[in-house]
Amino acid sequence: GENVEQHPSTLSVQEGDSAVIKCTYSDSASNYFPWYKQELGKGPQLIIDIRSNVGEKKDQRIAVTLNKTAKHFSLHITETQPEDSAVYFCAANLYNFNKFYFGSGTKLNVKP
Amino acid sequence: IAGITQAPTSQILAAGRRMTLRCTQDMRHNAMYWYRQDLGLGLRLIHYSNTAGTTGKGEVPDGYSVSRANTDDFPLTLASAVPSQTSVYFCASSDSTVNNEQFFGPGTRLTVL
Repeated sequence: GENVEQHPSTLSVQEGDSAVIKCTYSDSASNYFPWYKQELGKGPQLIIDIRSNVGEKKDQRIAVTLNKTAKHFSLHITETQPEDSAVYFCAANLYNFNKFYFGSGTKLNVKP
Repeated sequence: IAGITQAPTSQILAAGRRMTLRCTQDMRHNAMYWYRQDLGLGLRLIHYSNTAGTTGKGEVPDGYSVSRANTDDFPLTLASAVPSQTSVYFCASSDSTVNNEQFFGPGTRLTVL
């Protein structure tokens, strides 16, 4: 089955700085890669996703990049704000097959 | 109901007892999922359902069962709870015919003593 590894497990940045979280996956057939934000006491919420037919996707301060050859994808948050503090999860999925494999999570702390 | 709901919010259970976690969605999504979340391990898929009447096993199905009698409900049952099933359980749903974006419920915190 698929194996998703996520780094770092914790990340502390100063407000206004950028944050980068990286994930690798093992199954080259995976073609859908969502990122989720989980706030304390809540369920994960999708913040951005990318499919294997593109290499980069942006949504305001958030971007995701995908390198299919190396089998890794990354989340980039620019101009971080205290409200970005949360746990972030990456996941990999073979589209139309309903099994999602999640990374172990990154706890992001944005210091004001 | 708006989105996906779970009940109960939290539960303390004696080992050996039977427990059903409830999950209901009103988005008419075809696919539904149950995950458990443990510290340092992310979310692991327990069972899933592609459509009403069908279910499948995920990464960690042992000790759990599910049913999908209709589109909206996807209960998870622990027939005889054990302490290793102490976890936070999340239900999710998606429309896999469109874009497969998963929507998660608020979670159930289960403690088995």
